[in-house]
Amino acid sequence: EAGVAQSPRYKIIEKRQSVAFWCNPISGHATLYWYQQILGQGPKLLIQFQNNGVVDDSQLPKDRFSAERLKGVDSTLKIQPAKLEDSAVYLCASSPPQDPGTQYFGPGTRLLVL
Amino acid sequence: GQNIDQPTEMTATEGAIVQINCTYQTSGFNGLFWYQQHAGEAPTFLSYNVLDGLEEKGRFSSFLSRSKGYSYLLLKELQMKDSASYLCAVRDTGGFKTIFGAGTRLFVKA
Repeated sequence: EAGVAQSPRYKIIEKRQSVAFWCNPISGHATLYWYQQILGQGPKLLIQFQNNGVVDDSQLPKDRFSAERLKGVDSTLKIQPAKLEDSAVYLCASSPPQDPGTQYFGPGTRLLVL
Repeated sequence: GQNIDQPTEMTATEGAIVQINCTYQTSGFNGLFWYQQHAGEAPTFLSYNVLDGLEEKGRFSSFLSRSKGYSYLLLKELQMKDSASYLCAVRDTGGFKTIFGAGTRLFVKA
């Protein structure tokens, strides 16, 4: 079974530029999560989708971050414009319907904002 | 408020036993998870507790006391490859939102 796929793996941009990350969850997983993990901290949930609907986006900085999961499968997370403090690893995870609490993580996208 | 506390770092010797503690205060509770995260890699699932007691899985065991808001992860027969961060995470009720602690970095020395 293929795992959660993410791209790109690394990205370096300058502040005020925009960036987009892509995630393809495990086939059949209805729940998809985007996390931000700053160095030395635990993952912080940015947004949670159930199929193509948003379940929780309370910690998403909506003035600069946006995410979509239009067909209920893959998802994109965008930052526009980026700030220095957005430098982090962006993790995508998914959960199967029969075990919605257990999350399977992708390899992450490491973002550096200069 | 939501709060999960775990020690920042621990050091243990190869072959020994180590216990990593986690205390939590969350508005809802629908299970506690432990994840392992090697440096530069994504977290991987280790264990899940929703009822009080001890769950054993090979060299790893996890304990939960809901009344005390407390859990621990026990690692036996430590190996060098166990050097990693161990994340305690609590699942909220309702939409399955999961809150992660900052993680405990475990260093296993020879």
